[in-house]
Amino acid sequence: QLQLQESGPGLVKPSETLSLTCTVSNDSIRRESYYWDWVRQPPGKGLEWIGSIYYTGSTFYNPSLKSRVTISIDTSKNQFSLKVNSVTAADTAVYYCARRVYGGDFFDYWGQGTLVTVSS
Amino acid sequence: DVQMTQSPSSLSASVGDRVTITCRASHRISNNLNWYQHKPGKAPKVLIHAASSLQSGVSSRFSGSGSGTDFTLTISSLQPEDFATYYCQESYSLPFTFGPGTKVDIK
Repeated sequence: QLQLQESGPGLVKPSETLSLTCTVSNDSIRRESYYWDWVRQPPGKGLEWIGSIYYTGSTFYNPSLKSRVTISIDTSKNQFSLKVNSVTAADTAVYYCARRVYGGDFFDYWGQGTLVTVSS
Repeated sequence: DVQMTQSPSSLSASVGDRVTITCRASHRISNNLNWYQHKPGKAPKVLIHAASSLQSGVSSRFSGSGSGTDFTLTISSLQPEDFATYYCQESYSLPFTFGPGTKVDIK
């Protein structure tokens, strides 16, 4: 069974960079039929799509965050990563990594999520 | 961006009840609509994709319908494990957007 696991600091200072990694287990991140995405959920709020990456390195970002977000992939480690620059308290959220099915564009596997708090 | 709304925002129901949740898109999105179940501290779980296709392994008590702008998720007979928050998500265009969620709790 495919597993995704987020990792990274749980606390980030305002104006600094949030960095998270998602490790994919039990399947290759090079599968052509899937994208690898990040979704977040601020406390008490709904889900927000952040962006995605294909195994070739092609990326797609939410315009609301595009200027501050970078998603990268390391196929040798079966991992993909998220960086959000210049964070504020509004970036406090549970961050999920997920696999998105090519064509159907639905998320069929998700990580458990990791809470990132932006605070000094 | 396609804006998604859901109704109701919350509901209370009993085990065995039939539950219906509605999702509405701001633009016509054909059948590009997916439904997820989310429990606190857990990963969201896809239930329905392409408006009415049951995801493999998901109980048949879940069903979806609709096309265009109006969609419905139905739970035919609510079970204890179904108490959760349900989200719709449009997959018609980037950026993908989710509805605000419908929380289903125990009456």
